[in-house]
Amino acid sequence: EDKVVQSPLSLVVHEGDTVTLNCSYEVTNFRSLLWYKQEKKAPTFLFMLTSSGIEKKSGRLSSILDKKELFSILNITATQTGDSAVYLCAGSGNTGKLIFGQGTTLQVKP
Amino acid sequence: DAGVTQSPTHLIKTRGQQVTLRCSPKSGHDTVSWYQQALGQGPQFIFQYYEEEERQRGNFPDRFSGHQFPNYSSELNVNALLLGDSALYLCASSLRGRGVHEQYFGPGTRLTVT
Repeated sequence: EDKVVQSPLSLVVHEGDTVTLNCSYEVTNFRSLLWYKQEKKAPTFLFMLTSSGIEKKSGRLSSILDKKELFSILNITATQTGDSAVYLCAGSGNTGKLIFGQGTTLQVKP
Repeated sequence: DAGVTQSPTHLIKTRGQQVTLRCSPKSGHDTVSWYQQALGQGPQFIFQYYEEEERQRGNFPDRFSGHQFPNYSSELNVNALLLGDSALYLCASSLRGRGVHEQYFGPGTRLTVT
């Protein structure tokens, strides 16, 4: 059965800290790994990764995929209170159906 | 550029009733997927529509059904509501030609069943 597992489930840091969120996956006919940020309702698209070892960056956020070890990480540097959210990781096979992990709740304290 | 929209925002229903949720995809997108998100959990895939047909289905009973219209908008119908159907229902749209993997979500409909 396809599965995505995220760790840690929750994290509390202070502004300015760097955090690393983990995502491991087992997805049949794997095609891509996606990261979303969910603050209140709509998950907001962050990254989609399809190739191993190529880092994607957007401002203070970056992510990388390891297709051999079946995991991805999301890094956030110089965290701000506005980064507080649930971060969701999802794997996708060749059908396009997204299989989500349970999410990591990040709280950034001032 | 309009993003994914969903209606209504909130809904309260009684056990046994039926509900219809609506979704309009992002401009230019042709594929709509529906997800159910229980409190504290990641979204779970319900089904996906493309060219007005259900293309993929997750592990949800037949009480969950859907439809896609020629303008690509979609409806999710749930019959014989159970307390356990209380959740946030998310719609996501994508462009099949670019691969259906890059999906953009709407704000969701919060359904409460009492």
